[in-house]
Amino acid sequence: NAGVTQTPKFQVLKTGQSMTLQCAQDMNHEYMSWYRQDPGMGLRLIHYSVGAGITDQGEVPNGYNVSRSTTEDFPLRLLSAAPSQTSVYFCASSRSGRRTDTQYFGPGTRLTVL
Amino acid sequence: AQSVAQPEDQVNVAEGNPLTVKCTYSVSGNPYLFWYVQYPNRGLQFLLKYITGDNLVKGSYGFEAEFNKSQTSFHLKKPSALVSDSALYFCAVREDYAGNNRKLIWGLGTSLAVNP
Repeated sequence: NAGVTQTPKFQVLKTGQSMTLQCAQDMNHEYMSWYRQDPGMGLRLIHYSVGAGITDQGEVPNGYNVSRSTTEDFPLRLLSAAPSQTSVYFCASSRSGRRTDTQYFGPGTRLTVL
Repeated sequence: AQSVAQPEDQVNVAEGNPLTVKCTYSVSGNPYLFWYVQYPNRGLQFLLKYITGDNLVKGSYGFEAEFNKSQTSFHLKKPSALVSDSALYFCAVREDYAGNNRKLIWGLGTSLAVNP
């Protein structure tokens, strides 16, 4: 199994551009989520999904959209990039989202917005 | 409200010495506690978790953690540190809540540096 994969690894955008960060998992996990990691702020949840067709907002959803049309894929869309969205983005999945489940993380996407 | 605190931004230890990375939590019910490690330029990897039962939990790479309910702590430990243990360590908690709450609450991380 490849686990959780993310593309691209690095991306530079100009303010106002849009883009999609890709995330895929091959473990048939129901629960998927997106985090951003910023120095001194730890991990903050952007959006999550408990199954195909179901998504919900996390702590910091503004400026981001998600959809979950399949179990495997959970893309994150930046609608109009801003410098404040410069961050490292991690996608994670877990089997069912139960309270005891372990999360599996992708390798991350380092995004810079100029 | 749920919260997790990692009181030390950085921990320095000499190789071969025991290490402790501290974590305290606050939840209103029973906690489910997790430790993850992040090596440079990598995603987070699961180390261990406490769900119920024995207060001493053993995990990957020789790490263990002790759950202390009275002190609301879940400190990560290793008897003999390796230089390769140098990484960023995150503690996380999830509340024993019967609703549709699957969100983890994360600490800010502790950077562990093991010196040769």
